[in-house]
Amino acid sequence: KQEVTQIPAALSVPEGENLVLNCSFTDSAIYNLQWFRQDPGKGLTSLLLIQSSQREQTSGRLNASLDKSSGRSTLYIAASQPGDSATYLCAAIQGAQKLVFGQGTRLTINP
Amino acid sequence: NAGVTQTPKFRVLKTGQSMTLLCAQDMNHEYMYWYRQDPGMGLRLIHYSVGEGTTAKGEVPDGYNVSRLKKQNFLLGLESAAPSQTSVYFCASSYSISGYGYTFGSGTRLTVV
Repeated sequence: KQEVTQIPAALSVPEGENLVLNCSFTDSAIYNLQWFRQDPGKGLTSLLLIQSSQREQTSGRLNASLDKSSGRSTLYIAASQPGDSATYLCAAIQGAQKLVFGQGTRLTINP
Repeated sequence: NAGVTQTPKFRVLKTGQSMTLLCAQDMNHEYMYWYRQDPGMGLRLIHYSVGEGTTAKGEVPDGYNVSRLKKQNFLLGLESAAPSQTSVYFCASSYSISGYGYTFGSGTRLTVV
C-alpha cells in the first residue's frame, strides 16, 4: 500500500527566503507526482505535476523535483512571499486515477 | 468559469439522518472523485467514477453510496449518518487517467451530531 509522508508538518520562515518542502513515498510504481496548495477553508489547487519519466517541473517561483528511485519529491519556493502562506500537499498518482495524499506542510511566511 | 461546484457548503445532520451531496463540473471531464479530509488523516478517496454510469470504491467507501447518472454530476449519499462521518468532503474531476487537469471543489463541511 502506497504511503506518502510530508516533513515538516509546519514551517515558518521570514519573507524573501528560499525554502524546500519534502515529500516521500513508499512505492515507486507511480504515474505522476503532483503538488497542490490548499488555503484555509478552500479546496485544493494544482501547482505542478511531474510525470514519472521527468526529473523536475517549473512554474514561476516554484520548482518541483522527482527521484523515483529514492521515493522522494521536493517543492522549492524561491523568494517566498506572504501570499505563499498555505498548506502544501503532495500526491502520488497510482493507477485507476487515484491519488494518495500526504498530510501536508503548513507554511507561514512572515512579513 | 465555475469548474467544480459542490452543494451544500455546510450541513449539520443528526445521527441516522440521510443526505446527498451534489458535485457538478462544467469541464466535460470523464473522471470524478469524492474525498474526505480529516485532521491527522489527510485526504482519503471514498468513491470515484471513470465515466457516466460507472462508479467504483475507493479507500473508505463504507457508509457511502454514489451515482453518476449524468457526466457532469457525481452524487454522494449518506443513508444513515454517523458521527464518524463528520468531515470535510471534497469533490474533484480530471480529464486524464494520469491526473492532468485535476480540479477540486471548495468542499462541504458536514457535522453529524
